Amino acid sequence: TQLLEQSPQFLSIQEGENLTVYCNSSSVFSSLQWYRQEPGEGPVLLVTVVTGGEVKKLKRLTFQFGDARKDSSLHITAAQPGDTGLYLCAGANAGNMLTFGGGTRLMVKP
Amino acid sequence: DTGVSQNPRHKITKRGQNVTFRCDPISEHNRLYWYRQTLGQGPEFLTYFQNEAQLEKSRLLSDRFSAERPKGSFSTLEIQRTEQGDSAMYLCASSLAGQIYGYTFGSGTRLTVV
Repeated sequence: TQLLEQSPQFLSIQEGENLTVYCNSSSVFSSLQWYRQEPGEGPVLLVTVVTGGEVKKLKRLTFQFGDARKDSSLHITAAQPGDTGLYLCAGANAGNMLTFGGGTRLMVKP
Repeated sequence: DTGVSQNPRHKITKRGQNVTFRCDPISEHNRLYWYRQTLGQGPEFLTYFQNEAQLEKSRLLSDRFSAERPKGSFSTLEIQRTEQGDSAMYLCASSLAGQIYGYTFGSGTRLTVV
């Protein structure tokens, strides 16, 4: 069984602070995705990383895929209240069936 | 492109009743996935289709759960004899076969079994 562990589970920070969310597994994935989810809505895809060691930037968000394609991180610079939400990582394999982590609930206080 | 559409958005049912949810994928997507998400957890994969063929169904939670995609377009997920433990958000996603990019989720159906 493939498992993805996310840490931390909860994070409450002040506006302007930086943060990093981690997603770790003992399994290799063909690709890894990060999603953000608002209450009562479906997950919205932020980024897909495919190559080991790959780094992608999306404005203030930086995503990294580990060299062995087992882990990933999401770094947010100068967090804003609009970044508040549930961040989910998901690993993909055959058939693109996704295995999700448990999520990191982020709250950014003004 | 109107995205992935799920109906209804909310469903309240009494224990023991049957419920059916519908998912309309992005029109050019040939793969359709169903997930379940309980409170405070990440989504959990249930089943998926490529066109009308159900390629993986071993992860459906019990034989009370079934899914169809009869014409390779919309899909339905049915839960028979609902139990309180079935209360969750049921999410549908679609993509193109072989393409991890563009994986798109719907807004989900929130099921409450009372």
